[in-house]
Amino acid sequence: DADVTQTPRNRITKTGKRIMLECSQTKGHDRMYWYRQDPGLGLRLIYYSFDVKDINKGEISDGYSVSRQAQAKFSLSLESAIPNQTALYFCATSEDREGNTGELFFGEGSRLTVL
Amino acid sequence: AQSVTQLGSHVSVSEGALVLLRCNYSSSVPPYLFWYVQYPNQGLQLLLKYTTGATLVKGINGFEAEFKKSETSFHLTKPSAHMSDAAEYFCAVSPGGYQKVTFGIGTKLQVIP
Repeated sequence: DADVTQTPRNRITKTGKRIMLECSQTKGHDRMYWYRQDPGLGLRLIYYSFDVKDINKGEISDGYSVSRQAQAKFSLSLESAIPNQTALYFCATSEDREGNTGELFFGEGSRLTVL
Repeated sequence: AQSVTQLGSHVSVSEGALVLLRCNYSSSVPPYLFWYVQYPNQGLQLLLKYTTGATLVKGINGFEAEFKKSETSFHLTKPSAHMSDAAEYFCAVSPGGYQKVTFGIGTKLQVIP
């Protein structure tokens, strides 16, 4: 089983619908992240969380919200989806320790299409 | 602030030829540097990383990269390309600690038989 699991893997929805992408991890890491991948733009950070009580906006947080339900769970919500949110979304984790290098461990991605 | 520039969003090589994917970075502090690989329909996985010490870093599947501070570069190489190397490759930089990782735009590697 994967250490970082994302559900759903694929989702097609319509404009205006509420969508939730879920992420769970068994790595025991405190830090969790949501990234968005678009062709030609690389990965851009949406939100990140360094522990259950810590939530931070990334570079493209508008139109998104997150919830850190437990150390192992971090969900991303689109309250009212729009077509330009069509993208591949990745959850990632990293260790929280002295000397942390920033190495990330990724889930397999959730492909979202907004019609 | 930090940034990553990957030269060439698409690179094509013949099977058996040298693979060279370029990455230049900027960072205000000594960086940690990474190459990640994304195979079709999969997530990103770590190919190799530079933290401290030896500037020539070896990774999985025969890839290696050299950290050149004077050139602010971390180019990825492989002596002989295999068909299975076809994937997208991302260079990333991190100051470490509580700072965020910055990714390049990615380079898609095509291997021609």
